[in-house]
Amino acid sequence: DTGVSQNPRHKITKRGQNVTFRCDPISEHNRLYWYRQTLGQGPEFLTYFQNEAQLEKSRLLSDRFSAERPKGSFSTLEIQRTEQGDSAMYLCASSLGSGKETQYFGPGTRLLVL
Amino acid sequence: AQSVTQLGSHVSVSEGALVLLRCNYSSSVPPYLFWYVQYPNQGLQLLLKYTTGATLVKGINGFEAEFKKSETSFHLTKPSAHMSDAAEYFCAVNGRRALTFGSGTRLQVQP
Repeated sequence: DTGVSQNPRHKITKRGQNVTFRCDPISEHNRLYWYRQTLGQGPEFLTYFQNEAQLEKSRLLSDRFSAERPKGSFSTLEIQRTEQGDSAMYLCASSLGSGKETQYFGPGTRLLVL
Repeated sequence: AQSVTQLGSHVSVSEGALVLLRCNYSSSVPPYLFWYVQYPNQGLQLLLKYTTGATLVKGINGFEAEFKKSETSFHLTKPSAHMSDAAEYFCAVNGRRALTFGSGTRLQVQP
């Protein structure tokens, strides 16, 4: 069990550029979550997958955001046409089970949009 | 629908003093409750969780929390603060799938 990993850890981009983040969950965890955390706030739910199926998306997830988990293992989160308001820490978590089990978090990807 | 309120965005204690971080929740279904700790520029680490059964839950690093349904509370305590406890603490509730977090409490420990 190597834990949840995220890459890159930091990303600086210019407004209007596209960025993609990757999350590798704990192996055999069937659920994968994405959260966004802005300064001084708790994480906010964006979306989650059960295996390869994206089961729910928050209203925070605008059309510029897309997430995939093609083989039910790693996941990517892409932000198109980034805006300064997208600057945040993007956290990935994974869990094993069907709903309310403990979620284990990765170290996060900190995005700064200039 | 579910929500979490953490009273006090900043708490300062002396080393060796009692730590009390407050959390109140609302949930339309029986909740699972969690406390996570976050150190600067890191992800969240689970301290403890309540699912069902015993209402006093013990976690890592000497922390514990008590689930009080009548008060809809899940306050986090530690009898004696250590300098290494300085961090941000988040209470979270899971009703059905994703976690809903409070806004966090930053704990400072004074020598």
